Amino acid sequence: DTEVTQTPKHLVMGMTNKKSLKCEQHMGHRAMYWYKQKAKKPPELMFVYSYEKLSINESVPSRFSPECPNSSLLNLHLHALQPEDSALYLCASSQVTGALRGTEAFFGQGTRLTVV
Amino acid sequence: QQQVKQSPQSLIVQKGGISIINCAYENTAFDYFPWYQQFPGKGPALLIAIRPDVSEKKEGRFTISFNKSAKQFSLHIMDSQPGDSATYFCAAVGRLYNQGGKLIFGQGTELSVKP
Repeated sequence: DTEVTQTPKHLVMGMTNKKSLKCEQHMGHRAMYWYKQKAKKPPELMFVYSYEKLSINESVPSRFSPECPNSSLLNLHLHALQPEDSALYLCASSQVTGALRGTEAFFGQGTRLTVV
Repeated sequence: QQQVKQSPQSLIVQKGGISIINCAYENTAFDYFPWYQQFPGKGPALLIAIRPDVSEKKEGRFTISFNKSAKQFSLHIMDSQPGDSATYFCAAVGRLYNQGGKLIFGQGTELSVKP
């Protein structure tokens, strides 16, 4: 099973709302990622978690707050977003390698977020 | 040095033809090169991947060719079908010791296969 499940599939929120995106995987991967993708652009890395600890924050504004409650779950808490934050938010997971070798990442279907 | 350059931006191919997408990178620390296929409104799906110690990898109609000295790699889709119409992203994995991999994506190629 190479499935990464994201909920909800679609989300419309106002600029004063608080909402959360959820991601779940059961592949035993210990690295999980949040990416943001605008139309006709490649995904852009936002956060990396390894062993449930935040290892990379790509200078993402504090209105985006990630959380990794356990090895299978990844959340992205949203607060006071702007219309330009509207995008497809993708979760991904991969193995963590002790050796210096890259490994494939598996993506979820994404959450289409619209900020009004 | 962290960039991956992909071309062409868009590609139109007749059914049964060969689709070729090219990518180039600078950072020799990259050691894993996946290709992703993305349909509108969906997440990227891993298609095929290669490591730089291999010059070619084939899976069904999809082949990656890798030229380590030129720091270039390409995706060939043989017998292209209308169902292959999607956006294709090449990527390179920047290694993060003991942390998984940081994907560096190319800009994407929008492939349209005409019946």
